[in-house]
Amino acid sequence: EVQLVESGGGLVQPGRSLRLSCAASGFTFDDYAMHWVRQAPGKGLEWVSGISWNSGSIGYADSVKGRFTISRDNAKNSLYLQMNSLRAEDTALYYCAKDDDYSSSSYYFDYWGQGTLVTVSS
Amino acid sequence: EIVLTQSPATLSLSPGERATLSCRASQSVSSYLAWYQQKPGQAPRLLIYDASNRATGIPARFSGSGSGTDFTLTISSLEPEDFAVYYCQQRSKFGQGTKLEIK
Repeated sequence: EVQLVESGGGLVQPGRSLRLSCAASGFTFDDYAMHWVRQAPGKGLEWVSGISWNSGSIGYADSVKGRFTISRDNAKNSLYLQMNSLRAEDTALYYCAKDDDYSSSSYYFDYWGQGTLVTVSS
Repeated sequence: EIVLTQSPATLSLSPGERATLSCRASQSVSSYLAWYQQKPGQAPRLLIYDASNRATGIPARFSGSGSGTDFTLTISSLEPEDFAVYYCQQRSKFGQGTKLEIK
């Protein structure tokens, strides 16, 4: 059974940093691209960042470019999101999502975690 | 930059009725479009990929169609569990969602 479990969310002041983690199990982690998608309270979905299976291809939404860094550790079956210079508008539930394409990236997200809440407020 | 526009914003129907949800892209995306369902307090679930292919375990009452700029998600006969928010997606872009509510 595929499982994605996010952690690391919490309340943080504007301008500070936070690191999210996603622990994956139930599939061959290093075969698939992975993504972070967020959802502000009461709002829609926003893709944040994605990383290919071998970290060779990485992308970011314009809203987080230069502030967030995605990474993965295939030996630990883990995905990360380092978030710096946080703003109030980064407040959201952050989901880890698995790409459905083997060894490539289709941007179709077939499995999602339950999310970790990040609240940016003073 | 591709923009996805979903309509209507809210759709009020009764169980057993047919639901038709629309997603329009600002430029052609070929058939590279997905649909997701999200229920309150839950993560999104992939329903349709490549515009018309049902994801694993998705009931046959869900179907997708379209190509280029105009896409449709159809639920042939609504079940009580189908009332939720539906999003279309093309790579890094999501539509704003359609809320399907019970009439």
